[in-house]
Amino acid sequence: GQQVMQIPQYQHVQEGEDFTTYCNSSTTLSNIQWYKQRPGGHPVFLIQLVKSGEVKKQKRLTFQFGEAKKNSSLHITATQTTDVGTYFCAGCPIYNQGGKLIFGQGTELSVKP
Amino acid sequence: NAGVTQTPKFRVLKTGQSMTLLCAQDMNHEYMYWYRQDPGMGLRLIHYSVGEGTTAKGEVPDGYNVSRLKKQNFLLGLESAAPSQTSVYFCASTRGRNTEAFFGQGTRLTVV
Repeated sequence: GQQVMQIPQYQHVQEGEDFTTYCNSSTTLSNIQWYKQRPGGHPVFLIQLVKSGEVKKQKRLTFQFGEAKKNSSLHITATQTTDVGTYFCAGCPIYNQGGKLIFGQGTELSVKP
Repeated sequence: NAGVTQTPKFRVLKTGQSMTLLCAQDMNHEYMYWYRQDPGMGLRLIHYSVGEGTTAKGEVPDGYNVSRLKKQNFLLGLESAAPSQTSVYFCASTRGRNTEAFFGQGTRLTVV
């Protein structure tokens, strides 16, 4: 089964509301990456977290990597219509030294103006 | 700089036909990946390669084969297409382990 799970699958928000997506892995990850895919497009890299408990910010986006390196979250403050898309987390299981990059199912965000 | 290029972009196959999807990257990346994307399933790893001449199975390898004869190219083959292989296929490459993945534009495959 899928090793990296994401919730929720869909999120509909009013413009200006906050949004959070959560990522959970069944195994310890060496890193966590986040990607954004616009409708009809391809995934585009946003950020990578490597250290246990790491928190990074990109303007209105805040990314966290859990202490056990098994979970992560992406929080968007005051969503805008430009935030629409599907957000994916991805990671390399720590037991696999061969670079296997596993993605979560993604969270599709829609923003109502 | 083209990045990652996939060909073809669209294809319709009949059940039982074979085809090869080509992925080419011009960034001298070591690692390359093939994913399929289906509604509600996210991106599932089919096969990947950590260098020229090497390949490894991902999460959903059945019904697919791959080859990495040249560092810049990663081919995905379907020997006998089935309707369950209708999907959008994405190729990606990374410089190394734990580095940013660059994706191609995707190939929309329909098997009828």
